[in-house]
Amino acid sequence: SYELTQALSVSVALGQTARIMCGGNNIGSKNVHWYQQKPGQAPVLVIYRDTNRPSGIPERFSGSNSGNTATLTISRAQGGDEAVYYCQVWDSNNVVFGGGTKLTVL
Amino acid sequence: EVQLVESGGGFVQPGGSLRLSCAASGFIFSDYTMNWVRQAPGKGLEWISHIDYRGTTIYYADSVKGRFTISRDNDKNSLYLVMKSLRAEDTAIYYCAIWDCGSNSCWFEHWGQGALVTVSP
Repeated sequence: SYELTQALSVSVALGQTARIMCGGNNIGSKNVHWYQQKPGQAPVLVIYRDTNRPSGIPERFSGSNSGNTATLTISRAQGGDEAVYYCQVWDSNNVVFGGGTKLTVL
Repeated sequence: EVQLVESGGGFVQPGGSLRLSCAASGFIFSDYTMNWVRQAPGKGLEWISHIDYRGTTIYYADSVKGRFTISRDNDKNSLYLVMKSLRAEDTAIYYCAIWDCGSNSCWFEHWGQGALVTVSP
């Protein structure tokens, strides 16, 4: 079965750019979706189909996907961006989630 | 505004049963495929079940197949999950989520706030 690999944690200085990666075999051939989950809250979709932002998601959130790595980029990181971020793909009629990356804004 | 409100969670002993409900509003429920996704305490997300907009195409994760049953009532704008033969490892927050697809891929467009199920003696 397909697997997605994420780092357990990423730190970023306030106002700087955070990059959260999601690794998978030839993931660039798939569409990747990203969810933000703040403590005690439900997940929220922040990027779908690699690069698309749902309405209400700030332009500071962007995505890219190529080769074996998909990346969620958060520009001008704010304290409110602290959360766990999950990547997800649809593979062979299966939902696959990454293990999640905890973003800390210093 | 899209709203998904889960209910029916609680404590249950191993081997017991529970029925979760998800009340939908703010969108045309009968047009959308729905899913249940769960999250064990301190763990990641696990998809567990899927039902298409008509209720005719249903899928389950292997971890719950044969024990859980998903259904929907489009007249009542509601999604259900009947859970039987519950195990300690079923302890989790259960989320209902709207499913959307495009370009040969699918994702969870919107999530409810979740219902906590605790399986313990």
